[in-house]
Amino acid sequence: DIQMTQSPSSLSAFVGDRVTITCQASQDIDKYLNWYQQKPGKAPKLLIYDASNLETGVPSRFSGSGSGTHFSFTISSLQPEDIATYYCQQQVNLLITFGQGTRLEIK
Amino acid sequence: QVQLVESGGGVVQPGRSLRLSCTASDFSFTNHGMHWVRQAPGKGLEWVAVISHDGSNKYYADSVKGRFTISRDNSMKTLYLQINSLRTDDTAVYYCARGRGYCGGSSCPLEGYWGQGTLVAVSS
Repeated sequence: DIQMTQSPSSLSAFVGDRVTITCQASQDIDKYLNWYQQKPGKAPKLLIYDASNLETGVPSRFSGSGSGTHFSFTISSLQPEDIATYYCQQQVNLLITFGQGTRLEIK
Repeated sequence: QVQLVESGGGVVQPGRSLRLSCTASDFSFTNHGMHWVRQAPGKGLEWVAVISHDGSNKYYADSVKGRFTISRDNSMKTLYLQINSLRTDDTAVYYCARGRGYCGGSSCPLEGYWGQGTLVAVSS
């Protein structure tokens, strides 16, 4: 199975800060990576698909980049409502795997 | 508005069985593969299984292979997950999610349509 290593595991930043989360795949996954936001008690919400495509209705302050084994997810200007846990997820084949998550907090 | 609604969760004793359901509405269910994903309390997301649009192809995470069975009834627009020999580490919220397209080939990308989840708690 493909392992997804996400970092950091937790992150604290100020409102307005630029925030970046990284995800590394254990083998080449081309562009087949999603990013999710999950708030407590809620289902995950897809933000970015195929590494860099913004899901419909998602604010443009969210972005993703990368290909192959190294990927990043950025919030250009952190907002209070962005407090959540973020997950990367690969889907290059039928055996899908998730990163361990990044808990994002406001300073 | 695409909707996925899970049901069938509850408190179950170890070793027993349970069948989860996921009822779909407002999209062409027969045109999409479907997934189950679970999340243990306070833990991350774990992919469980996928089924192709017509039920002919099924794949499972190693952690559930042999005990879990994914199936679907397209006439009822319903996805199922049969869980046998329940263990305490199966305790989790179970989500169903839509796949991109038929999912009859080598991949089945997850789309942004997920249910609200159903909680399975395994305890004696």
